Amino acid sequence: EVQLVQSGAEVKEPGESLKISCKGSGYSFNTYWIGWVRQMPGKGLEWMGIIYPGDSDTRYSPSFQGQVTISVDKSISTAYLQWSSLKASDTAMYFCAAPTLPAWAFDVWGQGTMVTVSS
Amino acid sequence: EIVMTQSPATLSVSPGEGATLSCRASQSVNNNLAWYQQRPGQAPRLLIYGASTRANGIPARFSGSGSGTEFTLTISSLQSEDSAVYYCQQYNEGTFGQGTKVEIK
Repeated sequence: EVQLVQSGAEVKEPGESLKISCKGSGYSFNTYWIGWVRQMPGKGLEWMGIIYPGDSDTRYSPSFQGQVTISVDKSISTAYLQWSSLKASDTAMYFCAAPTLPAWAFDVWGQGTMVTVSS
Repeated sequence: EIVMTQSPATLSVSPGEGATLSCRASQSVNNNLAWYQQRPGQAPRLLIYGASTRANGIPARFSGSGSGTEFTLTISSLQSEDSAVYYCQQYNEGTFGQGTKVEIK
């Protein structure tokens, strides 16, 4: 079964750093892009960026460029989303997702990681 | 950046009736358009890609149409489990629409 399993919920204070993960299984991890999607409380979906594990080619939405870092460790089939200095406005659910079809639509989704930033 | 605009914001439909959801792109995305369903507390689920191709396991009552800048998701004969928020996404650049909430009366 094709699966993306994300790391657990996080509670952090403003200014702290954070790295959340998304582990793929049941498919050839290196050959499909993995993207990240933000959903702030009660709001819609926002496409943050996407990475190709094979060569770490990464694309960011202009809204998130410079605000987060997307990376991958293909040796353990895991993608990451990282912040160097969290803000309260980073409080959200974060989903990883992969397009495994012959299209860039996300057909496989992780369960989501809730990040809460509060002092 | 391509802006996706969905209408209406909310749709209230009786069981067994049909629903039509619209999505407009600020510039042509060809047919690189997907529709997702998100039920409360769940991750989104892909319904349609390529503007009109149903994803694996999606019931035939869901259908998509359109190309260029105007797209439609049609749900025929709504069932209680179709109560959800529906998002369109253009995957040339990735942006999502703001969503249409479908309520079952």
